[in-house]
Amino acid sequence: SQQGEEDPQALSIQEGENATMNCSYKTSINNLQWYRQNSGRGLVHLILIRSNEREKHSGRLRVTLDTSKKSSSLLITASRAADTASYFCATEGGGNKLVFGAGTILRVKS
Amino acid sequence: NAGVMQNPRHLVRRRGQEARLRCSPMKGHSHVYWYRQLPEEGLKFMVYLQKENIIDESGMPKERFSAEFPKEGPSILRIQQVVRGDSAAYFCASSGTGWSNQPQHFGDGTRLSIL
Repeated sequence: SQQGEEDPQALSIQEGENATMNCSYKTSINNLQWYRQNSGRGLVHLILIRSNEREKHSGRLRVTLDTSKKSSSLLITASRAADTASYFCATEGGGNKLVFGAGTILRVKS
Repeated sequence: NAGVMQNPRHLVRRRGQEARLRCSPMKGHSHVYWYRQLPEEGLKFMVYLQKENIIDESGMPKERFSAEFPKEGPSILRIQQVVRGDSAAYFCASSGTGWSNQPQHFGDGTRLSIL
């Protein structure tokens, strides 16, 4: 069964607003990663958070991880039209095998 | 461009033909992963290879699919006797080590269409 499940499935916001996406998973993990995918392209790695970390920042991105609830969130602050993409969380529970959720489609309107 | 290179970007095959997808990892990377993505879905793991070795093929269909990563040259994902259900985007990723907590770097994928 799928490990990561993103919520919401789709999100539409105005430029300058913040976007929050959530991810839940089912089993123990070594790390959780967030990726972005623009239409017709491959995945771009955004951020990796280890199981012993609770929060991580990278530029306008903030990721939290709650292992007790088996959930993570990705916050994009001050969104731009260029942030329009699909966002996926992926968990790694051993053996370097990433398990992806179905993704959140983010649309940022200018 | 030192990124992960996949070719072809688009591949059209008729049912029953063979499809060969190629992946050159990032320079210095010796660990390669193949994933498959169906429309509107996330990626599904297929196989993990290191040079000349298959480390984990738990996501590979039992028949018609095979993968290799020879000592020289790109990694190859081979699908024999393709069927309509094989239509998907196939992505390759690479990492520099086999250690956990390393990001995987993805190519732009091969979009396979079966007529």
